[in-house]
Amino acid sequence: EDKVVQSPLSLVVHEGDTVTLNCSYEVTNFRSLLWYKQEKKAPTFLFMLTSSGIEKKSGRLSSILDKKELFSILNITATQTGDSAVYLCAVGSNYKLTFGKGTLLTVNP
Amino acid sequence: KAGVTQTPRYLIKTRGQQVTLSCSPISGHRSVSWYQQTPGQGLQFLFEYFSETQRNKGNFPGRFSGRQFSNSRSEMNVSTLELGDSALYLCASSWGLAGGSYQETQYFGPGTRLLVL
Repeated sequence: EDKVVQSPLSLVVHEGDTVTLNCSYEVTNFRSLLWYKQEKKAPTFLFMLTSSGIEKKSGRLSSILDKKELFSILNITATQTGDSAVYLCAVGSNYKLTFGKGTLLTVNP
Repeated sequence: KAGVTQTPRYLIKTRGQQVTLSCSPISGHRSVSWYQQTPGQGLQFLFEYFSETQRNKGNFPGRFSGRQFSNSRSEMNVSTLELGDSALYLCASSWGLAGGSYQETQYFGPGTRLLVL
């Protein structure tokens, strides 16, 4: 059975801190790993990773995939209160996404 | 470009009833997937359709079914509702290129929140 595990499950930081969110997976026919942000509504897309070792960046967010060790990390630098959300990791395979339970990030002013 | 739309946004039903949820994908997208989101289980895959064909189905009972129309719009149906079916039902769309190479981003709609009493 496909499995995606995220850690930590929740995290509380102060504005300006840097955070690292983790995602490990065991999936047959791996095709892609995606990160989403969810704030009391539908998940919004952040990154899709398909190749090992290539960092994707968007502003203060960045992510990298290690296909040998089967994990990915999402980094957020200089956090802001607007970064407070659940961050979801999902792995694409066999025409479906398998999601982790998410990491609840709370950024306090 | 309009995003994924879902109707209705909220629904209250009683046990034993059935419900039909609708999803219109982003224009040009031919793949539609459905997910159930609950606090305990998180986001779980229900099924995926491409060109009116179901290509994969998650581990849900037969009470959950779906279909896709020729214009790529999709519906899912839940019969004989149970209290545990209360959840946010999310629809996502993507280009759905054939061939098994599933390296595409799925874009989510706002969801239908179903409450079963």
